[in-house]
Amino acid sequence: EPEVTQTPSHQVTQMGQEVILRCVPISNHLYFYWYRQILGQKVEFLVSFYNNEISEKSEIFDDQFSVERPDGSNFTLKIRSTKLEDSAMYFCASREGLHSNYEQYFGPGTRLTVT
Amino acid sequence: SQQGEEDPQALSIQEGENATMNCSYKTSINNLQWYRQNSGRGLVHLILIRSNEREKHSGRLRVTLDTSKKSSSLLITASRAADTASYFCATEFEGGYQKVTFGTGTKLQVIP
Repeated sequence: EPEVTQTPSHQVTQMGQEVILRCVPISNHLYFYWYRQILGQKVEFLVSFYNNEISEKSEIFDDQFSVERPDGSNFTLKIRSTKLEDSAMYFCASREGLHSNYEQYFGPGTRLTVT
Repeated sequence: SQQGEEDPQALSIQEGENATMNCSYKTSINNLQWYRQNSGRGLVHLILIRSNEREKHSGRLRVTLDTSKKSSSLLITASRAADTASYFCATEFEGGYQKVTFGTGTKLQVIP
């Protein structure tokens, strides 16, 4: 069964450094998402992406964050200058279409630790 | 708030018993989905129920949806130790067609 993949599984970085989290959505999916989960808290929406542009973003997704689909398969989340509070599990998700039948498929997550 | 809220927050049962978790939300939805998350791991999609459906089954899982009460329940029958995990409902709101909004989750412990 096709699945969303994410790399790396764990990233440790120092405060102020830039990080890029990578995702490979399911190949025929058109809608892509990033979510994050701070330890012990619920999963929060960051951004959705369709047709090479952001379709919606949350207030968490400030100027420090950006997303890109650099080629036909990868979908990346960049954090320009990481802060301690960016430490979280970051999940990528994709879906085939917008009909209510379509579920979002989540990747296994990247655990980001900012020290 | 448009968030789903699950209850109970935590549930501990013996293996073989049934586990019921509830989710409430505040605005009209397109669909509601249930996910499982083992400690510190990824999200596993369990079941999606559309707003015009009332009940859905998948193996030992049974999900109901009552749109008049804006609530859903997830029933796991004949629980196993391997069912120990956190369970989240996630709602896609009417007119949104975009993100899903997660609830706070129910932490289920199944004691062997």
